[in-house]
Amino acid sequence: DIQMTQSPSSLSASVGDRVTITCQASQDISNYLNWYQQKPGKAPKLLIYDASNLETGVPSRFSGSGSGTDFTFTISSLQPEDIATYYCQQYDNLPFFGGGTKVEIK
Amino acid sequence: EVQLVESGGGLVQPGGSLRLSCAASGFTFSDHYMDWVRQAPGKGLEWVGRTRNKANSYTTEYAASVKGRFTISRDDSKNSLYLQMNSLKTEDTAVYYCARVTGYSYGLDYWGQGTLVTVSS
Repeated sequence: DIQMTQSPSSLSASVGDRVTITCQASQDISNYLNWYQQKPGKAPKLLIYDASNLETGVPSRFSGSGSGTDFTFTISSLQPEDIATYYCQQYDNLPFFGGGTKVEIK
Repeated sequence: EVQLVESGGGLVQPGGSLRLSCAASGFTFSDHYMDWVRQAPGKGLEWVGRTRNKANSYTTEYAASVKGRFTISRDDSKNSLYLQMNSLKTEDTAVYYCARVTGYSYGLDYWGQGTLVTVSS
């Protein structure tokens, strides 16, 4: 199985800060990586697919990059409504989620 | 409007069985792969399994943690997805979500609200 190591597990940042989350795959997964946002008590929401493509309707402050084994998810200017847990998910083989990053406001 | 509505969750004893359903509407259900994803209380997301569409022979895949115990099926005539869970363990306690696989990537673009399964004596 391809394992995904996501870091950090949590972070605290101020409104307007740039926030970066990383995900590392245990082997090359090309660009087969998605990013999701999950707010408390809600189902996850797809934000980024194929590593860098913004899902329709998702604000442009969210972005993704990377290929192979190393991937980055960025919020360019953190907003209060971005408080959530973010997950990466690879789908090179059977889908597998990273452990999640809880984003809080400082 | 795309909607996915799960049902069938509840309390079951270890070793028992439960069948979850997911009713889909607002899109051509038969065209899409469908996944089940679960989330244990206070924990992260865990992919459970997938059923492909008719064009791909309705083949299924499962996570190692549920393979041999869970079975995913679908009825395209009823726009419905199912998860048959047998030999349940306490560690299967979770909210179970059904989710649609997009038609243009393997992202999960629509999710149900989830149904809670509690395995406890």
